Amino acid sequence: DTGVSQDPRHKITKRGQNVTFRCDPISEHNRLYWYRQTLGQGPEFLTYFQNEAQLEKSRLLSDRFSAERPKGSFSTLEIQRTEQGDSAMYLCASSRGTGSTGELFFGEGSRLTVL
Amino acid sequence: AQSVTQLGSHVSVSEGALVLLRCNYSSSVPPYLFWYVQYPNQGLQLLLKYTSAATLVKGINGFEAEFKKSETSFHLTKPSAHMSDAAEYFCAVTVNNNDMRFGAGTRLTVKP
Repeated sequence: DTGVSQDPRHKITKRGQNVTFRCDPISEHNRLYWYRQTLGQGPEFLTYFQNEAQLEKSRLLSDRFSAERPKGSFSTLEIQRTEQGDSAMYLCASSRGTGSTGELFFGEGSRLTVL
Repeated sequence: AQSVTQLGSHVSVSEGALVLLRCNYSSSVPPYLFWYVQYPNQGLQLLLKYTSAATLVKGINGFEAEFKKSETSFHLTKPSAHMSDAAEYFCAVTVNNNDMRFGAGTRLTVKP
């Protein structure tokens, strides 16, 4: 069990640029989640996948955000035309999904700073 | 939709004192409830979880929580605080094993 890994850990970009984050879940987990966390707040749900299917998207996920999990393994979260308000920690988590008790295993996050 | 509310964004206790972090949930169906801890610059770690078995749940590092349906609460306690307990604590809820919703967090400070 190598845990959930996220890359990059830190990203600094200029407003208007595109950024992409990658998440590698625990290998036997079929569910993968993306959350956003800003300073002093709890994680806010963005979206989740069951295998390669994206099952739910939050209203927080504007048209500039897109997430994929093409082969049901790793996932990417892309933010286009970044804005200063996108600065946050982006957390990825995975779980066994159906049949489990819903426990999520989190990565250490990817911190985005938009200048 | 399910949600949790954490009462108190910041709790300060002395080393050796009781820790009590409050969480109330809202859910129309039986929930699963969780407490996570986050140390600086680290990801969230599961402390304990309630999954409709025993209402008193014991977790890691001496923490425990009690599910009280009548009060819709799931407060986190530890009899004696240690300096290493200083961190951010999050209560979370999930229903039907779908997306998990988190509270705003409580920052625990432990004074020597």
